[in-house]
Formats: sequence, structure tokens, C-alpha cells
Amino acid sequence: NAGVTQTPKFQVLKTGQSMTLQCAQDMNHNSMYWYRQDPGMGLRLIYYSASEGTTDKGEVPNGYNVSRLNKREFSLRLESAAPSQTSVYFCASVIYGQRAFFGQGTRLTVV
Amino acid sequence: SQQGEEDPQALSIQEGENATMNCSYKTSINNLQWYRQNSGRGLVHLILIRSNEREKHSGRLRVTLDTSKKSSSLLITASRAADTASYFCATYDTDKLIFGTGTRLQVFP
Repeated sequence: NAGVTQTPKFQVLKTGQSMTLQCAQDMNHNSMYWYRQDPGMGLRLIYYSASEGTTDKGEVPNGYNVSRLNKREFSLRLESAAPSQTSVYFCASVIYGQRAFFGQGTRLTVV
Repeated sequence: SQQGEEDPQALSIQEGENATMNCSYKTSINNLQWYRQNSGRGLVHLILIRSNEREKHSGRLRVTLDTSKKSSSLLITASRAADTASYFCATYDTDKLIFGTGTRLQVFP
């Protein structure tokens, strides 16, 4: 039982490049979330998916897109990376109203 | 803006002392959760307190909830160096799980 798996763990991009962060959970949870965390800061919600087939914007969605591919997988795409998107990205899954399970994070640097 | 605001932002104590951190939130809640994060790693769930509960214990952790003041506190008793981490409160705002700004706890041996 792996819980929440994020790939990759580290990534360096050049400004303007695109990439997709992958997240998969094996706990049969309905809801999945993408957050970003900047140094010394809390987690800010980028996008979330309350159930398979639905996605909604969070607090800081600009510059990102998401896909809820199926119940297990929720991906985050940066179409044209900017230095301001340098951050640590966390994926989480949850049964709504209960505790969240987090992946180990993706450290993204945009140069 | 974030749902939760925590204070203090940073706290330094000696091993054996108690650590108290506070969380204030904005909207009505069904429950409030506390999480711990070690050095940029993923968050780990510590404890969940429901809106009809006023206090909850788990090991050396004690959480209180005051829904009239929209606030919660996390007390860690007899702190250890291994408790050094950031601590976050979290609540649901409709479908969204929103985190507070966090308290960075440093416990010195």
C-alpha cells in the first residue's frame, strides 16, 4: 500500500518549458488536491478534484492546468513555466471531511 | 487568503518544556485538523477534532477547540528535539481543504 505517490521528486525547467507533475493514490479516495509551498510559507491550494470527472480552481490556479485522469490519478501541468512557479508541489488525497494523505513532494526550479 | 492563521510564526524552546501554538479560522467548520511537516517533506496528520468536541488528547498532544472564537490550540507536552518541525492547522471550506500559515517549532536539546 503505497499511499500517495508523486513523480518526479525533483525537476529543473527553463523558462517557457512545459511539464506535467503526476500524482497517484491507491486508497480509493474521491478527493485529490494540488498545493504549492514556497519557502517559509504554508500550503496554498492550486486546484482540487472533489470527485472523478470534476476539477475546480483553488487559491492560486493561474499558470496551471489539471486533469483527473481516473479515480487514482490527478496530474498538474505547467504549460509555460515561469520563475515564479519555483516551489515545492504537494499532492494530497482524502475522503471528504476526513484526514488528508500527502505525497512526498516535487521540488521544481524554473531558471 | 488562507483560512487559518497561526501564531506564533516561530517558537524556540528547550527539551522538556511545553509548546503551545494557536490557530484561528474564518468560516464554520465540521472539524479542524493539525498536521506536522518535517523539513520540506510531506505533511503528516496528527489529530482531528470535531466541531462538537472541546478537547482531544493523543499521546503528548492536546488539542482544544473553541468554535465561538473560531480558534484552536495545539499543546505538545514534554517536548523533544525530534518534535522540531512545522505545524499546520487545516479546515474544510466547502470542498476545499485549506491550511494555515504554520508555526515553526525548534526544540533545543
